[in-house]
Amino acid sequence: EAQVTQNPRYLITVTGKKLTVTCSQNMNHEYMSWYRQDPGLGLRQIYYSMNVEVTDKGDVPEGYKVSRKEKRNFPLILESPSPNQTSLYFCATGRGYNEQFFGPGTRLTVL
Amino acid sequence: RKEVEQDPGPFNVPEGATVAFNCTYSNSASQSFFWYRQDCRKEPKLLMSVYSSGNEDGRFTAQLNRASQYISLLIRDSKLSDSATYLCVVLGSGGSYIPTFGRGTSLIVHP
Repeated sequence: EAQVTQNPRYLITVTGKKLTVTCSQNMNHEYMSWYRQDPGLGLRQIYYSMNVEVTDKGDVPEGYKVSRKEKRNFPLILESPSPNQTSLYFCATGRGYNEQFFGPGTRLTVL
Repeated sequence: RKEVEQDPGPFNVPEGATVAFNCTYSNSASQSFFWYRQDCRKEPKLLMSVYSSGNEDGRFTAQLNRASQYISLLIRDSKLSDSATYLCVVLGSGGSYIPTFGRGTSLIVHP
């Protein structure tokens, strides 16, 4: 079954404690991306990757890091999380940047 | 002015009704357009792409008006299961691979 998986699905953490949200896809897609969704602001892209070892900033990259060492995985790293990074995060993948398949989301709360 | 704007609604319609949403975009150089559907607290899913010639898929019709810079989504014979938030997505502004999402239009179909 074609799918995009994210872990964890829910996370409550404290300010400054480094965390990683994993994203994995089994669809052999080159394109992967991360979004955050906040009430009243809609979905905003954090980072995207067109292929292995190629990553680029989206609209809101500050405070986040990503890596793309293999095609199927695209982890999102928060080195020092802050309360304003409390949000719903989605990973997405696609053959290109057109049709995107989203993961189930990770709800992050930073206290 | 936000690049992509949608009426947040909610649009509250009875089963069987026809409902239409518009989405305006500010950058005339935008290249690709999509409608996604998002159920409450779930991931967005591609509903349909929007082509210059229009696009129809069953009860759903999407159209693009480049002159007036808007796209539309028409839903005929609404079903209870159509209740969701509909996201407009615009891509390719200024050669960018960063998709811009509208904040979404909420549709509630009642018996």
